[in-house]
Amino acid sequence: ETGVTQTPRHLVMGMTNKKSLKCEQHLGHNAMYWYKQSAKKPLELMFVYSLEERVENNSVPSRFSPECPNSSHLFLHLHTLQPEDSALYLCASSQDWLNTEAFFGQGTRLTVV
Amino acid sequence: KNEVEQSPQNLTAQEGEFITINCSYSVGISALHWLQQHPGGGIVSLFMLSSGKKKHGRLIATINIQEKHSSLHITASHPRDSAVYICAVRWGGATNKLIFGTGTLLAVQP
Repeated sequence: ETGVTQTPRHLVMGMTNKKSLKCEQHLGHNAMYWYKQSAKKPLELMFVYSLEERVENNSVPSRFSPECPNSSHLFLHLHTLQPEDSALYLCASSQDWLNTEAFFGQGTRLTVV
Repeated sequence: KNEVEQSPQNLTAQEGEFITINCSYSVGISALHWLQQHPGGGIVSLFMLSSGKKKHGRLIATINIQEKHSSLHITASHPRDSAVYICAVRWGGATNKLIFGTGTLLAVQP
């Protein structure tokens, strides 16, 4: 248990669906992250929030929409996804986003059909 | 070519063996992380280091900044060590982002 909780653990959605991934941390951290992990590829950073403000957006398609309502919660809203978006989506948090250790959630295994 | 390269990509060992996983990187860094990912996806941070050597139980991590190289050693390996081990470097540039290797899949057989 790392202190970062992601729900759901598994999600199957059609290309026309809208769904949301949730991440929660009660570690008192100020930075939260969304990563995508595809088979045989390194983790790809999608978004970084620091003190509830987005500080990094790595050319992610607009069908992925993050939301950080407070420092403990991070959402990833999904709509009109493609099959190639199927992957493990990992949330992480750290004390701040400059040179501190990151704590990861268990991930959400997303399958787009 | 990835900025962070790990070797080997796959490793099978017998229980009790001494294991070494290597990580080489090509960018200037401020820190290097070793992470462990078990089946099912959850990632655990093992080490964060910027110089020298760190030890935690049966795990040892070393880094040579001049050579841009780090190693993760596991002594007296056990089947529960079976996992993917990921090296990540914190890039010393403006965005300070983490750059990940593709991971080493370790299987320790009893």
